[in-house]
Amino acid sequence: EPEVTQTPSHQVTQMGQEVILRCVPISNHLYFYWYRQILGQKVEFLVSFYNNEISEKSEIFDDQFSVERPDGSNFTLKIRSTKLEDSAMYFCASGGRATGELFFGEGSRLTVL
Amino acid sequence: RKEVEQDPGPFNVPEGATVAFNCTYSNSASQSFFWYRQDCRKEPKLLMSVYSSGNEDGRFTAQLNRASQYISLLIRDSKLSDSATYLCVVGLSNDYKLSFGAGTTVTVRA
Repeated sequence: EPEVTQTPSHQVTQMGQEVILRCVPISNHLYFYWYRQILGQKVEFLVSFYNNEISEKSEIFDDQFSVERPDGSNFTLKIRSTKLEDSAMYFCASGGRATGELFFGEGSRLTVL
Repeated sequence: RKEVEQDPGPFNVPEGATVAFNCTYSNSASQSFFWYRQDCRKEPKLLMSVYSSGNEDGRFTAQLNRASQYISLLIRDSKLSDSATYLCVVGLSNDYKLSFGAGTTVTVRA
C-alpha cells in the first residue's frame, strides 16, 4: 500500500538553528500539506502546496518557514531559525484532490532546546 | 469561534457498548466532512468520510446535519481497539486545507 514517508522521525536542535524536515508523498498525489501538532493539542494546518506553489498558508507559517519540492518526489519543510515554541510533531500529508482524504506520514518530532 | 469544536471527552465505555459524540463547525460553506482516528503519538488516519445522507461503515455510523452545522459519529458494539482520539475534520470546496477539531477521546474498557 502506498504511504507517505517522513524523515527524520525525531530531531533535537538548539534554538536558532535551521531544520529541514523531509517528506516523500504518495507518488500520484497532487496536493501536499504540512500540519503540526504540539503535544496535547490539536492538529494545526501550516501550508498546502499544489502545482509547485503554495496554495494556502496559515498565520503560523511565517517568514521563518518555507516549503520546497526540489526534485518532483521530495517535499520539504524548512524552519530557518527555530524557536522553543516550534517544538511539535510535524506531519506531512498528501492527497489526490483538494479537501479530499489526506494520507499522513508518521510524523517528525522536533524538539527545540 | 473555533472552526471545528468537539467535546474532548473522555468517553469511558465498556466493551460492547454504544458511544456517540458530535462535532460542530462554524463555516456554513463547508463541503467536506471526515472523521479521522488518531492513536496516541501516531498520525491521523481516515476513519470515514461523512456524506449528506449519512453513512455507515461496519460498526461506525456518521451523520451530517447541515442546518445545525454538526456531524456525529456513533460506534456500536465497542471493541478495546476502538480506544483512540477521534478527530472531526472539515473542509471548504474552494480551499486547500482541512480544519481539524481537537478530538474526542474514547476509552473502551474490558
